[in-house]
Amino acid sequence: AQSVTQLGSHVSVSEGALVLLRCNYSSSVPPYLFWYVQYPNQGLQLLLKYTSAATLVKGINGFEAEFKKSETSFHLTKPSAHMSDAAEYFCAVSDGAGYSTLTFGKGTMLLVSP
Amino acid sequence: DGGITQSPKYLFRKEGQNVTLSCEQNLNHDAMYWYRQDPGQGLRLIYYSQIVNDFQKGDIAEGYSVSREKKESFPLTVTSAQKNPTAFYLCASSATGTGVTEAFFGQGTRLTVV
Repeated sequence: AQSVTQLGSHVSVSEGALVLLRCNYSSSVPPYLFWYVQYPNQGLQLLLKYTSAATLVKGINGFEAEFKKSETSFHLTKPSAHMSDAAEYFCAVSDGAGYSTLTFGKGTMLLVSP
Repeated sequence: DGGITQSPKYLFRKEGQNVTLSCEQNLNHDAMYWYRQDPGQGLRLIYYSQIVNDFQKGDIAEGYSVSREKKESFPLTVTSAQKNPTAFYLCASSATGTGVTEAFFGQGTRLTVV
């Protein structure tokens, strides 16, 4: 069985500061990993995905994530936070290629202060 | 524009009633999914379908039913057997194949029991 742990239900940063959202996964097979963002009362939008092609994955809106197999981690970072980054972020793991059901973490709410 | 349309955006249900949530996609995806989101719980899989006329239970299928009569449509019925139906419901779809395919999400339906 797969699982995802997101450390910290809330993370607060100042505008312009580094954003670091943590995600650790458990998987019995090579994982496919995703980060999604959700704005209030909206659906989820894909930020980036890891597909084993490269360990450092760049996504939209300046976000990136690094896959570290030894640490079973896939942390999301952004060098400089913007007010518009305030949202909830979900890390998810897939059970395989092709069609895929996702196992989600519980989410991390990012708060950005001026 | 291609995408996933969920309706209605808000739905109110009386105790003991069945209600049906609509999900339509024009992305030509074979696979469709229903997730339930509760505050602080992330997303949990209710049902999924890889192909027309076939579907499988997810982690929390009790009290829910689905149908997949058309490729474009995957309605979810919340039955009176679901004891705690108040939640945000998200529909998603994805392509199938050999590569890693991400899920695309609709805007969600917020169901409230009154």
